[in-house]
Amino acid sequence: SQTIHQWPATLVQPVGSPLSLECTVEGTSNPNLYWYRQAAGRGLQLLFYSVGIGQISSEVPQNLSASRPQDRQFILSSKKLLLSDSGFYLCAWSNPSGDLNGDEQFFGPGTRLTVL
Amino acid sequence: QQQVKQSPQSLIVQKGGISIINCAYENTAFDYFPWYQQFPGKGPALLIAIRPDVSEKKEGRFTISFNKSAKQFSLHIMDSQPGDSATYFCAASIENSGGYQKVTFGTGTKLQVIP
Repeated sequence: SQTIHQWPATLVQPVGSPLSLECTVEGTSNPNLYWYRQAAGRGLQLLFYSVGIGQISSEVPQNLSASRPQDRQFILSSKKLLLSDSGFYLCAWSNPSGDLNGDEQFFGPGTRLTVL
Repeated sequence: QQQVKQSPQSLIVQKGGISIINCAYENTAFDYFPWYQQFPGKGPALLIAIRPDVSEKKEGRFTISFNKSAKQFSLHIMDSQPGDSATYFCAASIENSGGYQKVTFGTGTKLQVIP
């Protein structure tokens, strides 16, 4: 069965510090991978998605970047955090496009980031 | 046109009652409508989903009703239980030209089921 891991679970960082959040998926190959941010009382905002190694697309301009160094590894980074980067970050995966089950997205447990 | 509007923002239901959450969308190209359940501090989990060629889908106590002409869909939770207390998100998705499923989420409904 497929599982998705995120770490760390919680993180408190000062403004201006770097960030690295990691997501890994097990039990599937060539998944589509996604980073979302969830602000309190709001829905999920798609930040980045990737359909393959080294292929990253951004949905919104921001202070963050993403990388996919391996097929099942997705990393969210920042060189200098802003207060507005605080939130709950969720990684998700789905089967590749064209797969009958490709519509479903499966979410990880999330990382709670607080920037002080 | 990519928005999905969800209501109510919060809902309190007596144990055993019916919880109803409504969503409306604009883009008729959406082809998949999932509902997610999220407990505090956890990631959302897929609860039930429907495609626009079906008017209703039932899984246990959870039912999606879909009205294509009105561009509305709703989640009904029958015999609501305290364990159902969570935030529920509706969503609508379409395959993007980039080869992935672009999902637009509603803003969520916080459900509280009281004994």
